[in-house]
Amino acid sequence: QQQVKQSPQSLIVQKGGISIINCAYENTAFDYFPWYQQFPGKGPALLIAIRPDVSEKKEGRFTISFNKSAKQFSLHIMDSQPGDSATYFCAASTSGNTGKLIFGQGTTLQVKP
Amino acid sequence: EAGVAQSPRYKIIEKRQSVAFWCNPISGHATLYWYQQILGQGPKLLIQFQNNGVVDDSQLPKDRFSAERLKGVDSTLKIQPAKLEDSAVYLCASSLGLIQPQHFGDGTRLSIL
Repeated sequence: QQQVKQSPQSLIVQKGGISIINCAYENTAFDYFPWYQQFPGKGPALLIAIRPDVSEKKEGRFTISFNKSAKQFSLHIMDSQPGDSATYFCAASTSGNTGKLIFGQGTTLQVKP
Repeated sequence: EAGVAQSPRYKIIEKRQSVAFWCNPISGHATLYWYQQILGQGPKLLIQFQNNGVVDDSQLPKDRFSAERLKGVDSTLKIQPAKLEDSAVYLCASSLGLIQPQHFGDGTRLSIL
């Protein structure tokens, strides 16, 4: 019930292409869904986040799509660049609780020049 | 704004030894988190403080792990005695409040021999 399932585990995309990472959850009490980007040797950095009152949020080349009925959300990276090569984690939390984040397993993205 | 500071960056110890990690959160952040990130997995919350009180320690192995946050600022996480399975990156994060975005440090990479 507390899990967040992320796919794919790894992804290779050509420069300029679209990278898509998907996450699914079971706990309907989750109401905050952030995405984190992590480079080797660094801590995760907040990329973009969404709450379930909207179906899509866009910030620059990064877009979150949210499907409340399917309990799924995804990250789209448009015009992917080699500098986007990193590990991406989705997460979920319940704002009415402690704000504890439950993370997905991560997706390693490689963008080829 | 200075980020979350952690030390040491790397630590190598033998099993059954003890080790301690230190975290200095972003100034003014009331909430502090310690996460364990095993290679190839997403971060897992070990303990969460609100000021100097514990909010959630449900996943902290209390027989060997301890943490404190004196004066509601810096925090230390201790492992005694260490087991091979404790090899991981230990991440500290902080946020303004319980349901605010979390900002991560770069972590301490612990290797147990």
